[in-house]
Amino acid sequence: EDKVVQSPLSLVVHEGDTVTLNCSYEVTNFRSLLWYKQEKKAPTFLFMLTSSGIEKKSGRLSSILDKKELFSILNITATQTGDSAIYLCAVGVQGAQKLVFGQGTRLTINP
Amino acid sequence: KAGVTQTPRYLIKTRGQQVTLSCSPISGHRSVSWYQQTPGQGLQFLFEYFSETQRNKGNFPGRFSGRQFSNSRSEMNVSTLELGDSALYLCASSLEQTGNTIYFGEGSWLTVV
Repeated sequence: EDKVVQSPLSLVVHEGDTVTLNCSYEVTNFRSLLWYKQEKKAPTFLFMLTSSGIEKKSGRLSSILDKKELFSILNITATQTGDSAIYLCAVGVQGAQKLVFGQGTRLTINP
Repeated sequence: KAGVTQTPRYLIKTRGQQVTLSCSPISGHRSVSWYQQTPGQGLQFLFEYFSETQRNKGNFPGRFSGRQFSNSRSEMNVSTLELGDSALYLCASSLEQTGNTIYFGEGSWLTVV
């Protein structure tokens, strides 16, 4: 059965800290790995990764995929209170627009 | 460009009733998929439509069904509602059937009492 596991499930840090969120997967017919940010509304797309070792970066956020070890990390540097959200990792499968989601990491940034 | 639009945003239904949720994808997007989000199970795939055809289905009972129209708009229906169907139902759209980023709507919050 396809499985995506995120860790930690919950994380509380102070503003300015750097955080690393983890995502491991066991999915047949892997196509891509996606990261989303969810506040009290729709998940917002952050990154889509398809190739190993190529870092994707957007401002203070970056992410990388390791297809050999079957995991990805999402880094957030110089965190701000607006980064508080649930971060979702999802894996897309070949031949379908189906995403398999992890449980999410609830990130809380305290001022 | 408008995002994925879902209606209604909030609704309360009674056990045994049925509900229909609507989704308008991003203009030009032909693939629509549906997900159920609950605190216990997280986000789970319900089904996916492309060119009015259901391409994939998740592990949900037959009470959950959907369809897609020629303009790519989609509806999902849940019949004989149970308390456990209370959830956020998210619609997502993408340009083609595979390989593209999937964008989510704001969701329809369903409460079954």
